[in-house]
Amino acid sequence: QVQLVQSGAEVKKPGASVKLSCKASGYTFTSYDLNWVRQAAGQGLEWVGWMNPNNGNTGYAQKFRGRVTMTRNASISTAYMDLSSLRSEDTAVYYCALSPRGDAYNHWGQGTLVSVSS
Amino acid sequence: DIVMTQSPDSLAVSLGERATINCKSTQSVLLSSNKKNYLAWYQQKPGQPPKLLIYWASTRESGVPDRFSGSGSGTYFTLTITSLQAEDVAVYYCQQYYNTPRTFGQGTKVEIK
Repeated sequence: QVQLVQSGAEVKKPGASVKLSCKASGYTFTSYDLNWVRQAAGQGLEWVGWMNPNNGNTGYAQKFRGRVTMTRNASISTAYMDLSSLRSEDTAVYYCALSPRGDAYNHWGQGTLVSVSS
Repeated sequence: DIVMTQSPDSLAVSLGERATINCKSTQSVLLSSNKKNYLAWYQQKPGQPPKLLIYWASTRESGVPDRFSGSGSGTYFTLTITSLQAEDVAVYYCQQYYNTPRTFGQGTKVEIK
């Protein structure tokens, strides 16, 4: 069965960077785009971007361009999301999500809490 | 960007009664070439990731109870829970996957009256 297991919680200071991981199993890692979605406490869902694990192509939401980088290590079926120049507004749970059918996200990681505070 | 707006922001429904959530998009998410609406509904309970309920606006995800149904086309969509159960207390989100950026509605909180 498809599983997405994310790395543990992070605490960062403003201006720092964070690198989150999402380890996939139960399917061929390079077959489907991997997406990242975030959610601030008590708030809604916000799409950050996507990555094609096969060729490394990426697409980012406008508000994150220049600060986010999505990469992968296909040999260990793991996707990464780097977010730099962190500010307090980046405090959120970050999810990786998958759509094997190419439509909506029917597989989600458990989420990683990123806390940004001085 | 396509803006998704849900209504209401919250609703309280008695057990066994119907709950209806609406979702409007600022542009059509219907692709004319395949006649599919690129619209999904998710359920999220506290401390959990979202769970996909409905995709293509009206196709129920495997394992989702048939009391959940989706309807609508173009720019106006509805999620209906026909007989609310206690375990349906959650926040519900619509999402368009017609183009990027993928965008979500602000969420509708469903509670028991």
